[in-house]
Amino acid sequence: DGGITQSPKYLFRKEGQNVTLSCEQNLNHDAMYWYRQDPGQGLRLIYYSQIVNDFQKGDIAEGYSVSREKKESFPLTVTSAQKNPTAFYLCASSMGRDLGYGYTFGSGTRLTVV
Amino acid sequence: SQKIEQNSEALNIQEGKTATLTCNYTNYSPAYLQWYRQDPGRGPVFLLLIRENEKEKRKERLKVTFDTTLKQSLFHITASQPADSATYLCALENNNAGNMLTFGGGTRLMVKP
Repeated sequence: DGGITQSPKYLFRKEGQNVTLSCEQNLNHDAMYWYRQDPGQGLRLIYYSQIVNDFQKGDIAEGYSVSREKKESFPLTVTSAQKNPTAFYLCASSMGRDLGYGYTFGSGTRLTVV
Repeated sequence: SQKIEQNSEALNIQEGKTATLTCNYTNYSPAYLQWYRQDPGRGPVFLLLIRENEKEKRKERLKVTFDTTLKQSLFHITASQPADSATYLCALENNNAGNMLTFGGGTRLMVKP
């Protein structure tokens, strides 16, 4: 079955550490996205990529970095510059808005700073 | 500034009744509006997409309306069931950000047996 796999499901980070969240899709989607969700709040866009080797900042990109070297993979690195990284991180992909399809989301990674 | 507003208070209804959730927006000109369902600790699941030139869209027990004059979408679940209990998110294209989706804060629906 096609889908998006995020790993790990839970991640603990010490102060000052960089951590990388994995996102892999086998849907052959061109576009991929990273969102952050805080308790009781909506999703906020961190980064997005509409094609391999290209990505753009979203609304809250500071303290995060991404790469898109392969169509299937869009890893997110939470750097030590992100001052409040504890949140639920969601990766999504889409085949394109004009085709009338929504986003397919992964099951998320819950990051906690210890 | 741009806003997407959904009722942050939980909606409690009795099983079998119709649930109606509201999404209001300001300073957007979306070509599409989407609705998602999210269960606790899970990623959102796409339900319906409605285009700006469509007034209404149906899928099984779900119905979405889209009024670009009022800048509002209504999401209806008819014959609601306890299994419909979840948080429902509306999402709009952000024309100022490469047409990426921007999400509302969601409304939690509780269907009581």
